[in-house]
Amino acid sequence: DAGVIQSPRHEVTEMGQEVTLRCKPISGHNSLFWYRQTMMRGLELLIYFNNNVPIDDSGMPEDRFSAKMPNASFSTLKIQPSEPRDSAVYFCASSVDSLAFFGQGTRLTVV
Amino acid sequence: RKEVEQDPGPFNVPEGATVAFNCTYSNSASQSFFWYRQDCRKEPKLLMSVYSSGNEDGRFTAQLNRASQYISLLIRDSKLSDSATYLCVVEISGNTPLVFGKGTRLSVIA
Repeated sequence: DAGVIQSPRHEVTEMGQEVTLRCKPISGHNSLFWYRQTMMRGLELLIYFNNNVPIDDSGMPEDRFSAKMPNASFSTLKIQPSEPRDSAVYFCASSVDSLAFFGQGTRLTVV
Repeated sequence: RKEVEQDPGPFNVPEGATVAFNCTYSNSASQSFFWYRQDCRKEPKLLMSVYSSGNEDGRFTAQLNRASQYISLLIRDSKLSDSATYLCVVEISGNTPLVFGKGTRLSVIA
């Protein structure tokens, strides 16, 4: 298995633009998580899904953020419109039996 | 009080030294505990689970103290390649998200 796959690896965009981050979890994993990491705040949970159903999105900063998981093998995190303070590394992770595996992350820079 | 707290470090130690990190968690109902390792500009990776009885994996020993709500990681005979950030991780119950500490940075010096 290739592990959790995220794309793009790097994204530079202008303030106000829409950004879509993509994640392919490990096959057979029933939970998927989106985290954001910054130097100041560390790893913060944004939202997680169990069996493709969003369970808790209380970590999503505001209405500009949305996430979907249309099937077991794909999830997206969308920011619209993006702002400079959204600049961070966004990680997707999938898990089974409490063992979580992370993708390589998307480094987002909003200028 | 933060859910998971760690000393951010950095811990600068010479090769061959023994170093220990502690971590405290606030939710007494927490069921599962882990240490993850994160290299610079990389994703976190599972280092080891932490069991109530304590567990060892080579040079690494993890222990859990439920009464005091802390977890520890001991690294013996430090190697240069151990330089990384070590993240303490807690899970309240199965299928709930992992809660991460901000990590402790270790730098092993030749």
